[in-house]
Amino acid sequence: QKEVEQDPGPLSVPEGAIVSLNCTYSNSAFQYFMWYRQYSRKGPELLMYTYSSGNKEDGRFTAQVDKSSKYISLFIRDSQPSDSATYLCAMSGLIKAAGNKLTFGGGTRVLVKP
Amino acid sequence: DTEVTQTPKHLVMGMTNKKSLKCEQHMGHRAMYWYKQKAKKPPELMFVYSYEKLSINESVPSRFSPECPNSSLLNLHLHALQPEDSALYLCASSHPGQGTEQYFGPGTRLTVT
Repeated sequence: QKEVEQDPGPLSVPEGAIVSLNCTYSNSAFQYFMWYRQYSRKGPELLMYTYSSGNKEDGRFTAQVDKSSKYISLFIRDSQPSDSATYLCAMSGLIKAAGNKLTFGGGTRVLVKP
Repeated sequence: DTEVTQTPKHLVMGMTNKKSLKCEQHMGHRAMYWYKQKAKKPPELMFVYSYEKLSINESVPSRFSPECPNSSLLNLHLHALQPEDSALYLCASSHPGQGTEQYFGPGTRLTVT
């Protein structure tokens, strides 16, 4: 079993709909949670960063973390065709090693149709 | 400014060639990373530098040799690569320590012939 599970999609939605993405994880040591957007053949772009449980909103994006269920979500409101991309969740924990090792989900491909 | 730059954007090299990938950031980050990403897969960590010292090597073959000349630059030296090493190579940076956000560069698309 992978440490972080993410549905690969593709997730196809009409323009203007809410996109709902999620990841589940098994390692209770994870404390820091990130969502990245990656366009084809480009580097990942950091969208949201949250620490521990709770919600965080930034413009059209809302990130939720439920540590008791080991479940994180990303919601995109008023989706646009430009939101079509692969979305990667990533997380890290309280580790002593120098640096910050991220564990990624496999990514969900999202298609927003005009 | 959250920009990480990488050069070159594309690289084609033969199995006997020696080449280098370069990464630069000016965000004052003291942790820098190399990742390898194959198509339709998430990035895989290769190396981590913290305060210009190699802190993590994820059992990467010796044909990949990282170098961190200063706090802003990170190189990846390539020698005697195999066709299966063809991938997108990503550089990232962050503040060192636990739980800090990593910012990625655009990547170098490497093809080994």
